[in-house]
Amino acid sequence: GDSVTQMEGPVTLSEEAFLTINCTYTATGYPSLFWYVQYPGEGLQLLLKATKADDKGSNKGFEATYRKETTSFHLEKGSVQVSDSAVYFCALKDGTSYGKLTFGQGTILTVHP
Amino acid sequence: DAGVIQSPRHEVTEMGQEVTLRCKPISGHNSLFWYRQTMMRGLELLIYFNNNVPIDDSGMPEDRFSAKMPNASFSTLKIQPSEPRDSAVYFCASSPQGAQGNQPQHFGDGTRLSIL
Repeated sequence: GDSVTQMEGPVTLSEEAFLTINCTYTATGYPSLFWYVQYPGEGLQLLLKATKADDKGSNKGFEATYRKETTSFHLEKGSVQVSDSAVYFCALKDGTSYGKLTFGQGTILTVHP
Repeated sequence: DAGVIQSPRHEVTEMGQEVTLRCKPISGHNSLFWYRQTMMRGLELLIYFNNNVPIDDSGMPEDRFSAKMPNASFSTLKIQPSEPRDSAVYFCASSPQGAQGNQPQHFGDGTRLSIL
């Protein structure tokens, strides 16, 4: 079945550091890929998405590129801020499951001033 | 635009009591999902509906859990009887288009449930 694997957390960075959170997936067919972010006490919010190979999703300075050859969708940001502290989830959706998402386990990011 | 609306936001009750969580999906969305989130188990999909019909309930932990979607604008998740290990944050999410398409799920703010 489908699966998503994220890098182990928690990740702790200083403000303005470079961020990478690794995400790899296993799926049949051609899934769509998503990154969600969850701030403390809130629900998950869509951060960015990519729907086909080589697509780059971007939002709020975050980027991720859909790499079919390496089955990866790594999240990057060039300069993190304290306000980026949150839990980040990688997810995939195939085309046959009524919109069901398969989530990774989540990565906790803490950014210090 | 109104997002996914869940109620109550917080619920504290004693074990053995019946708990009912409510969700109003975004208008026009035809898939609805119920999740549970805990520190130990992370985010778990409990059940999901498409066009008000339950598609997969394999994530429902026990018979004490049940979910209904009587119409396109309302769903409930019920726990009867509740136990302390049911304490968690429960999320509802909705999505348009169903099986096809690449639209994301939209999440509510969750119900924080504490069973004493």
